[in-house]
Amino acid sequence: EVQLVDSGGGLVQPGGSLRLSCEASGFTLSAYAMTWVRQAPGKGLEWVSSIGYSGEDTYNGDSVKGRFTISRDNSKNTVYLQMNSLRVEDTAVYYCAGYIVAPRRQYFYGMDVWGQGSTVTVS
Amino acid sequence: EIVLTQSPGTLSLSPGERATLSCRASQSVTSGYVAWYQQKPGQAPRLLIYGASTRATGIPDRFSGSASGTDFTLTISRLEAEDFAVYYCQQYTGSSFIFGPGTKVDIK
Repeated sequence: EVQLVDSGGGLVQPGGSLRLSCEASGFTLSAYAMTWVRQAPGKGLEWVSSIGYSGEDTYNGDSVKGRFTISRDNSKNTVYLQMNSLRVEDTAVYYCAGYIVAPRRQYFYGMDVWGQGSTVTVS
Repeated sequence: EIVLTQSPGTLSLSPGERATLSCRASQSVTSGYVAWYQQKPGQAPRLLIYGASTRATGIPDRFSGSASGTDFTLTISRLEAEDFAVYYCQQYTGSSFIFGPGTKVDIK
């Protein structure tokens, strides 16, 4: 079965740190670019960070720039999100997701595999 | 910066009815970079449509997507009980992702 398993969430005080992990099973992680998407309580989806297939390119949303770092270890089939200087407004469910993009064709195949979500509470 | 506006915010319909959800981009976008997702309470989002109009694997053919300029539409031809959920459109910019605020489809 193709799946992503998120872990590492929890309760942390403002200014603290957490590291989320996302382990893939049933498929080869290196076939996907990976991303983290979060959802604050009762709110919509917000893109957080993305990383290219081999980890050479990373991108972060404005709200987390300079505080969050995405990385991956394809040998362990795992993606990470290191979250530092956490704020109350970072409280959310964090989902990892995998996607495939073909820039030369200007085509994006959607985020078609998702983790179950990891809850982060900053309080 | 591209902004995606979804309308209506809430759509109240009965099973068997047709649902038409709109997503408008604030500027020109590449239609091949547009996707739609369904999310039910307590669950992760599920990919429905990518490339503006291609159904993802396993998605029933009552779901369809279309594009016209900066306007994107998700249509559910005949609502079934399991379709009542929140729907998000999404734009890939080449280095980031933008989500619309969502349309909730609830039972009338």
